[in-house]
Amino acid sequence: QQQVKQSPQSLIVQKGGISIINCAYENTAFDYFPWYQQFPGKGPALLIAIRPDVSEKKEGRFTISFNKSAKQFSLHIMDSQPGDSATYFCAASIIQAGTALIFGKGTTLSVSS
Amino acid sequence: DTAVSQTPKYLVTQMGNDKSIKCEQNLGHDTMYWYKQDSKKFLKIMFSYNNKELIINETVPNRFSPKSPDKAHLNLHINSLELGDSAVYFCASRQAGKNIQYFGAGTRLSVL
Repeated sequence: QQQVKQSPQSLIVQKGGISIINCAYENTAFDYFPWYQQFPGKGPALLIAIRPDVSEKKEGRFTISFNKSAKQFSLHIMDSQPGDSATYFCAASIIQAGTALIFGKGTTLSVSS
Repeated sequence: DTAVSQTPKYLVTQMGNDKSIKCEQNLGHDTMYWYKQDSKKFLKIMFSYNNKELIINETVPNRFSPKSPDKAHLNLHINSLELGDSAVYFCASRQAGKNIQYFGAGTRLSVL
C-alpha cells in the first residue's frame, strides 16, 4: 500500500517556466509534509516543508500548496532554471511519533535552456 | 565539515558475503535512520533508531541489522548478500523535537 502518491514521474519544462509536482496522501495522521531535492550522486536535501494548518508556504521560487480536505499537496517551482534539474520527492510523516519519512516515488525534473 | 557521513561510498561484493556500511553524524542528533533507494529511485525506510528504541520496517529481511555503538553512529550490517540487495543506502539523522532529516551522500551497493 503506497501511502504517498506522486505525479508526474518525469517533467520537462522550459527555462523560465513553472514546474508543478503533485502528491496525495492517505493517512490523515500525517502532520508534516516536506519536499526533498536530490541531485545525481547526492543524498536528498530538504527543500521546503509545510504543516497541515496552513494552505500555502513560499520560499523564494518554491511554493507548497496544501489542500487538507483533498489530502493533496503540490510543489510549484516558478521561473524554473537548468540548475533546478533534479529529482524531487514529496514525503509525509507524523511528527510526535518521530516516525520516518514516507516518500513518494519521485519526479525527475529537466529544465531545458 | 560533513554533517552525516557514510562509508564506503561504493561497495561491490559477491553474493553470499557479509558487509557493513558505516554512518556517523556530527550534528548531535538523537535519531538516526537507514533508507534504501532502489534502481527506480524509490526511497523506503528500513530502520529508525534512537537511544531508546529501534523500529524496524517489517518488510526488511532479518539479514539486515543496525548497530549503534554510540549516539553519533548507526552502522548497517548485511549478512548473506543477495542480488536484490543492490541499491543505494542512505543514512539520515534528526534532532528530537525538530522535523528536518539530514541525509548522507549514500552508499551504492552492488552485489554480483
